[in-house]
Amino acid sequence: GAVVSQHPSWVICKSGTSVKIECRSLDFQATTMFWYRQFPKQSLMLMATSNEGSKATYEQGVEKDKFLINHASLTLSTLTVTSAHPEDSSFYICSAGPRAPVPPDTQYFGPGTRLTVL
Amino acid sequence: QKEVEQNSGPLSVPEGAIASLNCTYSDRGSQSFFWYRQYSGKSPELIMFIYSNGDKEDGRFTAQLNKASQYVSLLIRDSQPSDSATYLCAVNNSSNTGKLIFGQGTTLQVKP
Repeated sequence: GAVVSQHPSWVICKSGTSVKIECRSLDFQATTMFWYRQFPKQSLMLMATSNEGSKATYEQGVEKDKFLINHASLTLSTLTVTSAHPEDSSFYICSAGPRAPVPPDTQYFGPGTRLTVL
Repeated sequence: QKEVEQNSGPLSVPEGAIASLNCTYSDRGSQSFFWYRQYSGKSPELIMFIYSNGDKEDGRFTAQLNKASQYVSLLIRDSQPSDSATYLCAVNNSSNTGKLIFGQGTTLQVKP
């Protein structure tokens, strides 16, 4: 159990276009999901906390107008990278956690989406 | 600033040996502690969680927690080349429910 999926697994786009990434919890409901990005050889960086039915909470330094998050249901959160530029190229990973029987802060990660902006 | 510290490594061990990965954290209120494994180019995979002082064993993996010393470790017995990966220590943020604080990760190399 506790499976998180992401789509697409990789995407290549032109500079200036927008890209939407989907994150789904397949076998549990998640009122909270998290979005991370990871550059090569670096650790995870939390971008935002996605809350079902309310606005996302962004970490300091993350542009909310550039990284739009929508948590439309208890199993789906989307991240849209608007007007993407080459510096947005990264590995984007979402996570979520079931309520039980694991500790409440447990996070299971999706497989990630590798974004390349040309 | 709440932090989780790990030695970046690489930690190199021969096949069949015990690999010992260590982590210290600064948030005294943390209650849940996690170890994730991340293969190159892949997302993190949860290996174990622990929330009580002492040892917790799961197959070849043993997590150890000492809250007084703010120290968490992961032991991997009978290390295999397939264990070669980066191991991330994560600790819950006691002042922000749901968030985890991640260490930089320790790269483990198991040599045949």
